[in-house]
Amino acid sequence: GAVVSQHPSWVICKSGTSVKIECRSLDFQATTMFWYRQFPKQSLMLMATSNEGSKATYEQGVEKDKFLINHASLTLSTLTVTSAHPEDSSFYICSGTRDASYEQYFGPGTRLTVT
Amino acid sequence: GEDVEQSLFLSVREGDSSVINCTYTDSSSTYLYWYKQEPGAGLQLLTYIFSNMDMKQDQRLTVLLNKKDKHLSLRIADTQTGDSAIYFCAERRGGGNKLTFGTGTQLKVEL
Repeated sequence: GAVVSQHPSWVICKSGTSVKIECRSLDFQATTMFWYRQFPKQSLMLMATSNEGSKATYEQGVEKDKFLINHASLTLSTLTVTSAHPEDSSFYICSGTRDASYEQYFGPGTRLTVT
Repeated sequence: GEDVEQSLFLSVREGDSSVINCTYTDSSSTYLYWYKQEPGAGLQLLTYIFSNMDMKQDQRLTVLLNKKDKHLSLRIADTQTGDSAIYFCAERRGGGNKLTFGTGTQLKVEL
């Protein structure tokens, strides 16, 4: 159990456009979801934490107006990259946790390329 | 990840043991984790250890925790080619559930 999916798995978009990435917990209710960004051959950097029904908490240095996060239900969180630019190209990974769980369940990631 | 350090690369022969090391800085860490990431994929939890434990063994995996030195290690016995991947340690600090990831170690298993 505890499967997290992401859609799309990869996306190419033009500079200036917006792109939405979905993160779904398939067989559990994720009260908290996390969004990470990973550059090639680097570690995961936490972007934001979202709790269902609440505004996301962004990490220092992450622009909340550029990376819009919505966690409208216990099984779905979305990350929208607005007015994307080539420097936003990255691998975006989400994860979800159940209440008081010691484990984060990770999605397979979404590769975003902005041309 | 700058507070959690790992060596960048490790190469071992198939059948040998691999030891991946991790140094963290926050003494309030409650849980420490080891994740595996294969190319282009998400993270797979391998094992975890609670901060009041010194050692945990799970089949081919042995985790050692030295709280005094803030040092965590992952030993993989009888390493196989399928173990080739990037391994991340991560710490969960205090009462929260955010994770801070290490810099990652690329494990290469050669025949």
